[in-house]
Amino acid sequence: AQSVTQPDIHITVSEGASLELRCNYSYGATPYLFWYVQSPGQGLQLLLKYFSGDTLVQGIKGFEAEFKRSQSSFNLRKPSVHWSDAAEYFCAVGALEYGNKLVFGAGTILRVKS
Amino acid sequence: DSGVTQTPKHLITATGQRVTLRCSPRSGDLSVYWYQQSLDQGLQFLIQYYNGEERAKGNILERFSAQQFPDLHSELNLSSLELGDSALYFCASSPRTRPDTQYFGPGTRLTVL
Repeated sequence: AQSVTQPDIHITVSEGASLELRCNYSYGATPYLFWYVQSPGQGLQLLLKYFSGDTLVQGIKGFEAEFKRSQSSFNLRKPSVHWSDAAEYFCAVGALEYGNKLVFGAGTILRVKS
Repeated sequence: DSGVTQTPKHLITATGQRVTLRCSPRSGDLSVYWYQQSLDQGLQFLIQYYNGEERAKGNILERFSAQQFPDLHSELNLSSLELGDSALYFCASSPRTRPDTQYFGPGTRLTVL
């Protein structure tokens, strides 16, 4: 079965501090991986994606993520968080073999304290 | 702005009613996906259309149906609504050159009273 686990429901970090959001997946095919961000009352914005090649991918807004096949993980990082980063973050997995539908994690709500 | 539009933004209706949610994909995108985001189930894939044909089905109830029209816009029809159908419904589209990447619309928030 395909599943995505985001073990942290809430995370609070201070503005300027570094951030890491965890994502683990279980998939029966070669996955491609995404991080989306959802601000309150907004849709889902694509932050970054991994398909193949370099396991460290850069995204928008200064975010990056590292794919670790041995750990089935795709953690999202940012070296210095801004107050505007407060939002909910979703990790998602897809595969061509499954028709490209996305399976999402439960999301991590990021709070930024000043 | 992803380029995917959804109408209406909000919809409030009563149990037993029927509603139609509309989605216009990004210009040139042939694939449309529908997802439901609810508090108890999270974000779940419902159904996918590609150039007017159903391509994949997920956890979509029999009371729900969708279609994609020749101009590529899509509609999600929800009937015999129940309180538990209250959710945010997202549409996404993907480009021909990158069918593995989906761009999401702003969503339609459905409230069933």
